[in-house]
Amino acid sequence: GDSVTQMEGPVTLSEEAFLTINCTYTATGYPSLFWYVQYPGEGLQLLLKATKADDKGSNKGFEATYRKETTSFHLEKGSVQVSDSAVYFCALSGKGGGNKLTFGTGTQLKVEL
Amino acid sequence: GAVVSQHPSWVICKSGTSVKIECRSLDFQATTMFWYRQFPKQSLMLMATSNEGSKATYEQGVEKDKFLINHASLTLSTLTVTSAHPEDSSFYICSAAIPGTVSSGANVLTFGAGSRLTVL
Repeated sequence: GDSVTQMEGPVTLSEEAFLTINCTYTATGYPSLFWYVQYPGEGLQLLLKATKADDKGSNKGFEATYRKETTSFHLEKGSVQVSDSAVYFCALSGKGGGNKLTFGTGTQLKVEL
Repeated sequence: GAVVSQHPSWVICKSGTSVKIECRSLDFQATTMFWYRQFPKQSLMLMATSNEGSKATYEQGVEKDKFLINHASLTLSTLTVTSAHPEDSSFYICSAAIPGTVSSGANVLTFGAGSRLTVL
């Protein structure tokens, strides 16, 4: 079945550091890929998405590229801020699966001054 | 817009009692809502798909009689954990598809903040 593997946290960075959170997936066909973010005390929010190979999703300075050859969708940001501290979830929606999402375990990011 | 509200945000109950968690779409109608369960340091696992006016569709391994789902209106779905036991302690999260956001077969989902259940 479909699965998503993402790096364990917590990841602790200094403000303005470069961020990479790795995400790889296993799925049949060509899934849609998502990154969701959960700020403390809030629900998951869609951060970005990509629906086909080589697509790049971007939002709020975050980027992720759908790499079919490596089955990856790594999240990157060039300069993190304290306000980026949250838990980040990689997820996929399999073709024909409608709205059913398969999530990774989540990676907690802590950004310090 | 497209906000989903869950209530309660946390609940503690005694073993053997039943607990109801509500999920409301505040500013849109949701014909379909989804219930997830999350164990510490683990993925969100889809439990069931809640369909307005019809029976919920449960994922394999989820006990229908244990986790009762009712979607009586276009803005409300409820999850009732019946005869709760300590192993049911978990973080329960609901979500709904945002209307008009279909992209390659997948709507964008909006999530509630979750409900933490602790069964003593």
